[in-house]
Order: sequence, then C-alpha cells, then structure tokens
Amino acid sequence: DVKVTQSSRYLVKRTGEKVFLECVQDMDHENMFWYRQDPGLGLRLIYFSYDVKMKEKGDIPEGYSVSREKKERFSLILESASTNQTSMYLCASSLWGRNEQFFGPGTRLTVL
Amino acid sequence: AQRVTQPEKLLSVFKGAPVELKCNYSYSGSPELFWYVQYSRQRLQLLLRHISRESIKGFTADLNKGETSFHLKKPFAQEEDSAMYYCARWEGTSYGKLTFGQGTILTVHP
Repeated sequence: DVKVTQSSRYLVKRTGEKVFLECVQDMDHENMFWYRQDPGLGLRLIYFSYDVKMKEKGDIPEGYSVSREKKERFSLILESASTNQTSMYLCASSLWGRNEQFFGPGTRLTVL
Repeated sequence: AQRVTQPEKLLSVFKGAPVELKCNYSYSGSPELFWYVQYSRQRLQLLLRHISRESIKGFTADLNKGETSFHLKKPFAQEEDSAMYYCARWEGTSYGKLTFGQGTILTVHP
C-alpha cells in the first residue's frame, strides 16, 4: 500500500518567514508533485520532479521553490511567505510512466 | 494548454436520487481521464479511470469524445457519497502529470 506522508497537518507562519513543507513516499516512485488546493480553483500544480535533483515548474511556481535530494523526499519551500500563500498543500507521487497519483494527507498552511 | 472544466462548484441531491457530476475537457488526441474523490478528513484518492471502464461504489463515467465530456454518474446516491470530486486528465507524459478540474462538492441529504 502506497504511503505518502507530509510533515505537518497544520502550520501557522508569519509573513516573510521561510517555510519548508516536507513530503515522503515509501514506494520508490520516481515522480513527485506539489499542488495547492483552493476552493473554486481546484488543484493547481506548483512543481513536480521526475528524478533526484530534477524539477519542473507547474502552473503556478511563482513564490515557491522545491528540492529533491533523495528519491523518497520532495520539499516545497516558500522563500518569503505571503498571506496569499495561505492554502492547503497536497503532495503526490506516481511511478514513472504511470498516471495514477497517490496523495498525502495535506498540510493546511496559514500565513498571518 | 489542456483544460478540464467542472461547471458546478456545489451539487446537492437527496438520498436515492440520481446524481451526475459534469466534466468537460479540451480536445486533444486520445485523452485519458480520471475521477478522484476526497471524503471528509481523508486524502484524495482515485475513484475511477475511463480506460478500465469499471464501476466503483456504483459510479460510472463514460468518455464522450463528440461532446468532450466525462460525466460521473450514479443512479441512486447515498449519504456516504458526500465528498469533493475532481475530474482529471493525463497529459500523456511519463512524468504522470495530471490536469485537474475545479472540483465539485457533492452533498447527499438524508
């Protein structure tokens, strides 16, 4: 059974802080994804990675960066958090060449 | 860019009534489409994919290439079907990248 875990369920940060969201998967998946989930806007892809140290921009990468130093771990970084980054963040993973994604439980980030 | 549109943000039905969640996609080649579901306090998970032509929890979805639609249907809704539903389209790459719709919150009243 695929397990995708995210480091925090809830996070509260202040404007201007650097924020790290961590995602770990235990099924040796090559592909990993970060989305934000907002009411009425659905899931929007921020960044994805298909291999260690490889990253690609998604639809809304501005204000975010990512890091993938190990295959099982994909980090989302908010260099300087802003209030408009208050959202639910979902991590997902999938096998190379497969299109079913497995999701983590989400991190609800509030930026004050 | 590929688009997936779910025109209804909210959908309410009574238990036992038929339900249809609409999904339209922008035409491009041979699409592969999915429905994902998120129940309250649970993680997002795959409900069904058109290519397998299966019925999960009584839900079915037929790909209509002429209308570029992939509507999700169930003849008799149950209260436990209340959830957020997302339609998604695979972009055809080995990265497994999906494009999601805006989501529809389904509420089934007793």
